[in-house]
Amino acid sequence: GENVEQHPSTLSVQEGDSAVIKCTYSDSASNYFPWYKQELGKGPQLIIDIRSNVGEKKDQRIAVTLNKTAKHFSLHITETQPEDSAVYFCAATKGNNDMRFGAGTRLTVKP
Amino acid sequence: DGGITQSPKYLFRKEGQNVTLSCEQNLNHDAMYWYRQDPGQGLRLIYYSQIVNDFQKGDIAEGYSVSREKKESFPLTVTSAQKNPTAFYLCASSTGGGHQPQHFGDGTRLSIL
Repeated sequence: GENVEQHPSTLSVQEGDSAVIKCTYSDSASNYFPWYKQELGKGPQLIIDIRSNVGEKKDQRIAVTLNKTAKHFSLHITETQPEDSAVYFCAATKGNNDMRFGAGTRLTVKP
Repeated sequence: DGGITQSPKYLFRKEGQNVTLSCEQNLNHDAMYWYRQDPGQGLRLIYYSQIVNDFQKGDIAEGYSVSREKKESFPLTVTSAQKNPTAFYLCASSTGGGHQPQHFGDGTRLSIL
């Protein structure tokens, strides 16, 4: 089955800097890759997603890139703000209700 | 507002007791899911349901049971057979059919007394 690895497990940046979180997946048939943000005591919230027919997608300060050949995808957050502090999860699925999640990255943005 | 409601937010279980976690959605989604989240780990799938009156086991179904009698509701029972039930439980829903995001509730934290 699919296996998703996520790095780093913790990330601390200064406000205004960029943050990058990377994920790799094992199943080349996976074709949908969402990213979720989870705040303390809350459920994960979708922040951006990408399908395998595109290599990059951007939404204001966040962007996701996908390299299908290398089987990895990354989340990029620019101009980080303290409210970006949370746990971020990547996920991968081939569309069969079998969505696999990475172990999460705890991002801290220091003011 | 459309969304997913999980209740209760906190739940305590005594030894040998079954407890039921509620999950209700008003998004008109066909598919619903239950995940378990442990510290430092990703989400692990317990059960999922694609349509009413049908559900499938996920990776860690042992010690859990579900029902799907209504489209809006997907309750999870943590049975006494689940020896390590302390965790954060998340319910999600989606339109199904793959390639669609899952929308999550705010979870139930289950602890052992």
